[in-house]
Amino acid sequence: SQTIHQWPATLVQPVGSPLSLECTVEGTSNPNLYWYRQAAGRGLQLLFYSVGIGQISSEVPQNLSASRPQDRQFILSSKKLLLSDSGFYLCAWLRSLSPEAEAFFGQGTRLTVV
Amino acid sequence: DAKTTQPPSMDCAEGRAANLPCNHSTISGNEYVYWYRQIHSQGPQYIIHGLKNNETNEMASLIITEDRKSSTLILPHATLRDTAVYYCIVRGNSGGSNYKLTFGKGTLLTVNP
Repeated sequence: SQTIHQWPATLVQPVGSPLSLECTVEGTSNPNLYWYRQAAGRGLQLLFYSVGIGQISSEVPQNLSASRPQDRQFILSSKKLLLSDSGFYLCAWLRSLSPEAEAFFGQGTRLTVV
Repeated sequence: DAKTTQPPSMDCAEGRAANLPCNHSTISGNEYVYWYRQIHSQGPQYIIHGLKNNETNEMASLIITEDRKSSTLILPHATLRDTAVYYCIVRGNSGGSNYKLTFGKGTLLTVNP
């Protein structure tokens, strides 16, 4: 069966420090991968999505970047964190682009920038 | 920008049916309606999806109007554990929309004892 792993679960980082969040998917190949952010009390904001290795689409300009070095690995990074980067970060994958394919989400990383 | 409109919050008594509405008046012919829910501090969980016909699974029922401009998610016997934010989204395979999963603000359903 397919599973999605996201780590760490919680993270406290000082302003100006770098960030690296990792997401991996098991049990499938060529998944479509997504990074979302959810600020406190807000909805899900799509940050990046990737349909293949090295293919990254950015939805909003921001202090973050994403990379997909391997088929089932999706990394969210920042060189220098801002206070506004605090939030709940979620990775998701989609089995295919068929409209009938449901998305599966990781358990999220709660990032607090201090 | 989400293509759906949902009420920000709803209450339901435990054991009663919870009916969550969603408007998607600009839905196109090949777009599916999906429902997800997010329990506090967890990742969203898939519930159900449909195109035209009503659907039912072990979690819920989905009623889609004949013109497909709105739908209702029904939790037949709500429990306290069903308290969550419920998201309605539409997704198809035209115009690049198949790549994107765009969530609105959802409906916070509170099930009361």
